[in-house]
Amino acid sequence: SQTIHQWPATLVQPVGSPLSLECTVEGTSNPNLYWYRQAAGRGLQLLFYSVGIGQISSEVPQNLSASRPQDRQFILSSKKLLLSDSGFYLCAWSAGIDQPQHFGDGTRLSIL
Amino acid sequence: DAKTTQPNSMESNEEEPVHLPCNHSTISGTDYIHWYRQLPSQGPEYVIHGLTSNVNNRMASLAIAEDRKSSTLILHRATLRDAAVYYCILREIIQGAQKLVFGQGTRLTINP
Repeated sequence: SQTIHQWPATLVQPVGSPLSLECTVEGTSNPNLYWYRQAAGRGLQLLFYSVGIGQISSEVPQNLSASRPQDRQFILSSKKLLLSDSGFYLCAWSAGIDQPQHFGDGTRLSIL
Repeated sequence: DAKTTQPNSMESNEEEPVHLPCNHSTISGTDYIHWYRQLPSQGPEYVIHGLTSNVNNRMASLAIAEDRKSSTLILHRATLRDAAVYYCILREIIQGAQKLVFGQGTRLTINP
């Protein structure tokens, strides 16, 4: 069966520090991968999506970047975190455009 | 982005059916209707999706109006574990990937 792993579960970082969140998927090949952010009390906002290795599309301009160095690995990064980067970050995968998305357990990021 | 409208909150009793409404008057012919739910501090969980015909699975049923401008998620026998925020989403396609736009959803409370 397919599984998705995100880590860490929680993270506290100072303003201006770098960020790297990792997401891996097991049990499937060539998944579509997604990064979302959920601000407190809000709905999810799509940040990045990828349909293949090295293929990254951004939905909104921001202080973050994404990379897909391997088929089932999706990384969210920042060189210098801002206070506004705080939130609940979720990775998701789908087997195709007509298949549902499956979400990880998320990373709760607090910026101090 | 295609829009949906849901009530902010609903309340029901355990072991009773729950009907969660969703309006999507601007839906296009290729938009699938997706439902996800989210428990506190967890990633969203896929519930069900459909295009034109009513759909059933082990979790719920989806009733879609003939003109597709509204739909209803039906939980046949609610349990306390069904308490969550339910999102009705119109799936769009962007460059070979899905785009799910999450609104505020309906917060469902189940009374014992």
